[in-house]
Formats: sequence, structure tokens, C-alpha cells
Amino acid sequence: RKEVEQDPGPFNVPEGATVAFNCTYSNSASQSFFWYRQDCRKEPKLLMSVYSSGNEDGRFTAQLNRASQYISLLIRDSKLSDSATYLCVVNMGSARQLTFGSGTQLTVLP
Amino acid sequence: DTEVTQTPKHLVMGMTNKKSLKCEQHMGHRAMYWYKQKAKKPPELMFVYSYEKLSINESVPSRFSPECPNSSLLNLHLHALQPEDSALYLCASSQPLSGANVVTFGAGSRLTVL
Repeated sequence: RKEVEQDPGPFNVPEGATVAFNCTYSNSASQSFFWYRQDCRKEPKLLMSVYSSGNEDGRFTAQLNRASQYISLLIRDSKLSDSATYLCVVNMGSARQLTFGSGTQLTVLP
Repeated sequence: DTEVTQTPKHLVMGMTNKKSLKCEQHMGHRAMYWYKQKAKKPPELMFVYSYEKLSINESVPSRFSPECPNSSLLNLHLHALQPEDSALYLCASSQPLSGANVVTFGAGSRLTVL
């Protein structure tokens, strides 16, 4: 079983749609959780950290369920500029720091 | 602008060449990383430096040689690479290793080995 699993997609959605990405992790001792965004041929950039209480940043909402070892990202009112690969990332507290999911590709269509 | 600066942005080298990738950060981070990323795959960890000491080597072939001259700089020396080593090489940094730190990536050096 992979340490961090994501649906690879691709997700093709029209502008204005709401889209949700899910991610599961295997290590119950994982300490922190993130969504990174990566544009084509660019570096990963932090989109948001994910907290147990859930957190929102504009059109983006992240949720963490520690009991189910599950993380989600909801994007409302999708924009063309949201097209990217979204990486679910878990910090298991080891020296290796980040463990990446395989990424979910999103294309927002006009 | 990224706070982790990598040079060069692009590098083409032959299998007999020796070259180096360079990375610099001025965020006061004491952990620095090298990742390798192939197309449509997530980044793969290669090396971790903590307080300028190598703490993780993910069984990387010796043709890749990391160096951390000081707390702001990280190099990756390349020698006798293979075409399959062509990839995006990402440098990253964070505060000292713990479970909560955000890792910041540089823009990457895109390497092509002929």
C-alpha cells in the first residue's frame, strides 16, 4: 500500500464548477498535512496546510479526518487558472519530512 | 519570486561531463533537500541536509554528489550521468526537521543528459 494515495484523475471540469480531491495516508503517526499545487514544468508551491478543524482560504477548503486518515480539498467556483496538478503531502515527522501523493491533475475548461 | 534560488535553470550535458547544480536560500532554514522529479510523477527525495550535515541519502547513485558548504548553500555535483537521469532537480528548504514545517521549493534545474 502506498503511504499517500490520491486519485490521479484527470479531472476535467467547466469553469464555475465545484471539484473535490481526496487523499488517504497510511501512517497514523503523521504529524502535518498539506496541499501543494504544481503547474506544468514548475516547482510545487504550498497551497494550504490542512488542520484537524478544517480550514478555508477563499475558494479553497481543506479537511482532515485523523480517525479515517483522510484529507480532502474542495475548490469552489473553479477558474481557468486553477488548472494544475494538486499534490497531497504528508509530513510523518521523520527526517524525510514530506511524503507525496502521486498528484491529481485538474483542467478547468472554458 | 521564489525564496529558494536554483541555478542553472536548464542544463544539457554529455555522459562524460562534470557539472554542478547550485541552490541558495536566505530564509534562515537549517534543513535543505534535493529532489528529483520525472514527468507526471511526484518529486522523489534524494538527499536531506540538517544543520549542514547529510542526514538522509535515499540510496542515490554515487554519480550524484551533494555538498552543503554553509547554511545557505546546497550543491549537487554531477558526473558520468546516464540519459535516464534527465529530470527536473528541485532544491528545497525548511526550518529544522520537525513534523510541522513547511517545505519551500526552488524553481528547479531541468537537466538533459545526452
